[in-house]
Amino acid sequence: AQRVTQPEKLLSVFKGAPVELKCNYSYSGSPELFWYVQYSRQRLQLLLRHISRESIKGFTADLNKGETSFHLKKPFAQEEDSAMYYCALAARPMLTFGGGTRLMVKP
Amino acid sequence: KAGVTQTPRYLIKTRGQQVTLSCSPISGHRSVSWYQQTPGQGLQFLFEYFSETQRNKGNFPGRFSGRQFSNSRSEMNVSTLELGDSALYLCASSLAGGGQTGNTIYFGEGSWLTVV
Repeated sequence: AQRVTQPEKLLSVFKGAPVELKCNYSYSGSPELFWYVQYSRQRLQLLLRHISRESIKGFTADLNKGETSFHLKKPFAQEEDSAMYYCALAARPMLTFGGGTRLMVKP
Repeated sequence: KAGVTQTPRYLIKTRGQQVTLSCSPISGHRSVSWYQQTPGQGLQFLFEYFSETQRNKGNFPGRFSGRQFSNSRSEMNVSTLELGDSALYLCASSLAGGGQTGNTIYFGEGSWLTVV
């Protein structure tokens, strides 16, 4: 069965510092991975997915199949990045989510 | 285009009662999935409907059920409510369904259920 692990429940950084939110997965097939973000009092929304290899709001994530990881990175954190971040693995029949990491960016 | 709409947004029920939550997917989306979000368990898959048929079901008791109508709108029902059912219930819609390669899933704002 597939599994997604986000080892940090809370990550606190200062504005302008680099950020890395960790995500590890286990899945026997070819994975498709996503990062979702949930700002305070807002809906869960897609941030980025590995097949697009895009950068959204300065965030990037690279799929490392050897290490089974899909860490989310941003070189310079902003206060508006404070939110809950969920890593998710798409494998039939559903998205499997990690436990989430709360990112707090302090001024 | 309009996003995924869930109603009601907030509700309080008493143990033993039943509740029905509604979800209107994005126009053209035929897949609707439901997730339960709690602080302790995180986001857990309940079930998925596609073209009025339940395609997949998560590991929840039979008290949790759902259905989908011909216009793709979906409802989920929880009978004999327990305190532990207090959670945010999220509906998600997509073209092809969860887990499909290249398929993007869009979430509603959720229905906050409190059982007292």
